[in-house]
This record gives sequence, structure tokens and C-alpha cells, in this order.
Amino acid sequence: GQNIDQPTEMTATEGAIVQINCTYQTSGFNGLFWYQQHAGEAPTFLSYNVLDGLEEKGRFSSFLSRSKGYSYLLLKELQMKDSASYLCAVRKLTGGGNKLTFGTGTQLKVEL
Amino acid sequence: GAVVSQHPSWVICKSGTSVKIECRSLDFQATTMFWYRQFPKQSLMLMATSNEGSKATYEQGVEKDKFLINHASLTLSTLTVTSAHPEDSSFYICSARPGQNTEAFFGQGTRLTVV
Repeated sequence: GQNIDQPTEMTATEGAIVQINCTYQTSGFNGLFWYQQHAGEAPTFLSYNVLDGLEEKGRFSSFLSRSKGYSYLLLKELQMKDSASYLCAVRKLTGGGNKLTFGTGTQLKVEL
Repeated sequence: GAVVSQHPSWVICKSGTSVKIECRSLDFQATTMFWYRQFPKQSLMLMATSNEGSKATYEQGVEKDKFLINHASLTLSTLTVTSAHPEDSSFYICSARPGQNTEAFFGQGTRLTVV
């Protein structure tokens, strides 16, 4: 099976930087994804890592260490609209193809 | 990015009836689509992998006779919740990807309420 752990909730201030951590245990690792989900809506893709290191996309960056089973999502210059749930998802190579399994999500609240 | 359309966005049905949810990839072909269920304040739980032209692969604990999946074309998968009960009320989301190693795109989700 897979264990994907994220903090349940985080609070940060508008304009600040926040880091959301994700640890995982899996065999057949084939990439780690970060999604943003607002209440009642479907997830939207933010970032993807398959090799170790940092991937930067505007205000969002994601880091991966495969040896440590660890990733983080970094959000800079926080805005009120960034208040949402952030989902870490691990893609696993299976006999039938790739399968994406989600963590429990981190509810981020951005305050003034 | 690619577009996945899910219909309906919400549905209310009576207990014991069946409900069909459609998932379409609008600008790409998808041999594989995925169906998830999400209860309030919980994460997405994979229910099944829908394979075009063959039987779906269900996750452990998901009843295949209750959640019927049909993937008859490269752009359409359907999930039918049969003999729905109030405990089936949930947010159902599909996803599809253009290739094996590409990101998955999600439909807008279907809010099912069984009364």
C-alpha cells in the first residue's frame, strides 16, 4: 500500500511564504503531484516532480527527495485566494499503468 | 491544459434509484480514466480505473456491481451508481490523462445527494 502524510491544517499571513510538507512510502514511485482544491470544486494541477530537486512555477515551487520520500510545496507572496486545500498525490507504476493516490490534503487558511 | 468535462454537476435522486455520471475528454483521447469519491473534508479516494474497451479495475472495497463503469470510447467513461442509498451521497470526480506519463486532468465533479 501507500502512506502519504500531510499536515491537516496550516495558517499563514497574506504576503508571506508557506511550505507544505508531504511524506510518502511507496514502491514503483513514478512521480509526485501537487493539486489545489477549493471547496466543492475539482482539483487543479499545480506542480509535478519525478526527479530530485526543485521545480519552480511562478509563485509556486515544489521540491522532491526520492531517497527521503519527501516533498514540499512552497507558496510565495500569499494571497487570500490561495486559501484552499492542497493535495499531495503519488503516482505509482502498476501492472495496469500509472495510478495516482492522494494524501489527505492540507487545508491552508490565509489571513490578513 | 486539456479539458475534461463531467456531467451532471449535481444530482439529487431517491433512494433505490440509479444515477449515471458522464466523464468526457474534450480535446484528447484517453484510454484510461479514473473515478474518485470524496467525502466532506476528506481527500480523494480512487474507486476504479476505467479502461477503454475492457473491464474496469476496481479498488479494494469498492463494489463493482454497485458502481458500474463503462468506457465505450476513447473520450467517454460513465459511472452508474445503482440502487443508490443515502450513504452513497458524495462528490464524485473523474480524471483522464492524454498519455501514460502526463499529468491527470480532472472533471468538475458531480455532487450526488441521495434522499
